[in-house]
Amino acid sequence: QKEVEQNSGPLSVPEGAIASLNCTYSDRGSQSFFWYRQYSGKSPELIMFIYSNGDKEDGRFTAQLNKASQYVSLLIRDSQPSDSATYLCAVSRQAGTALIFGKGTTLSVSS
Amino acid sequence: DAGVIQSPRHEVTEMGQEVTLRCKPISGHNSLFWYRQTMMRGLELLIYFNNNVPIDDSGMPEDRFSAKMPNASFSTLKIQPSEPRDSAVYFCASTPGGYEQYFGPGTRLTVT
Repeated sequence: QKEVEQNSGPLSVPEGAIASLNCTYSDRGSQSFFWYRQYSGKSPELIMFIYSNGDKEDGRFTAQLNKASQYVSLLIRDSQPSDSATYLCAVSRQAGTALIFGKGTTLSVSS
Repeated sequence: DAGVIQSPRHEVTEMGQEVTLRCKPISGHNSLFWYRQTMMRGLELLIYFNNNVPIDDSGMPEDRFSAKMPNASFSTLKIQPSEPRDSAVYFCASTPGGYEQYFGPGTRLTVT
C-alpha cells in the first residue's frame, strides 16, 4: 500500500526561526512531490512542488528531495505567526493522476 | 479565474437520506478529483475523472457512493443512503493535466 508518512506534531517554533517539516513515502515510482498548506477550516493550498533531487527555493520556502532515501522536506525561514497551519505532503506517480497525501504536520509559530 | 466551485458548503442531513455534492472545475482543466478528509484518515482520494471519463474509483467506499461528470464543467458526488460515518469534508480539485491540483473550498457534510 502506497503511504506517505508525516510527524503529526505539533511543531512549535518561535517567530523568526526556521521550521523544518519532514515526509517519507513508500512508493519508489513517485515522480512528483508537493507541499500544501491548510489553515483550519479551509482547503489545501499548494505552496511548493519539486520533481528533481536537491533543493528548490521559493521565497522563504525551500523544498528538499532525496529520492534514494524517499524523503521530502520543507524548510520555512523567518517563520511568521501567519505560517501557523497544517502542512500536507503529497506525492504523485504521473501528471494528472491522484495525489497520495500524508496526514499532515501542524505548525505553530509563536510571536 | 473563479477557482474550483463547490456546493453546498455545508450539508446537514439525517441518516438514510440522499446527499448530492456538486463541483465546477476551473475552466480548461481536464482532470477532476474528489477527495474526502477526516481526522482519522486524513485526505483520501475517492475518484478522479480525465476528460469526463472516470479513471480510478478505487477509493469509493462502497456502492452507496456514486460520481458523475456529464460535461467538462460539472461533476456530482452522490451518497445514497447516507450514514453517520460519511460525515467528513469533501473536496473537489482540478488540474489542467499537470501535476499541480487546485482545491475547491470543500463541502462539510454532517450525517446525524
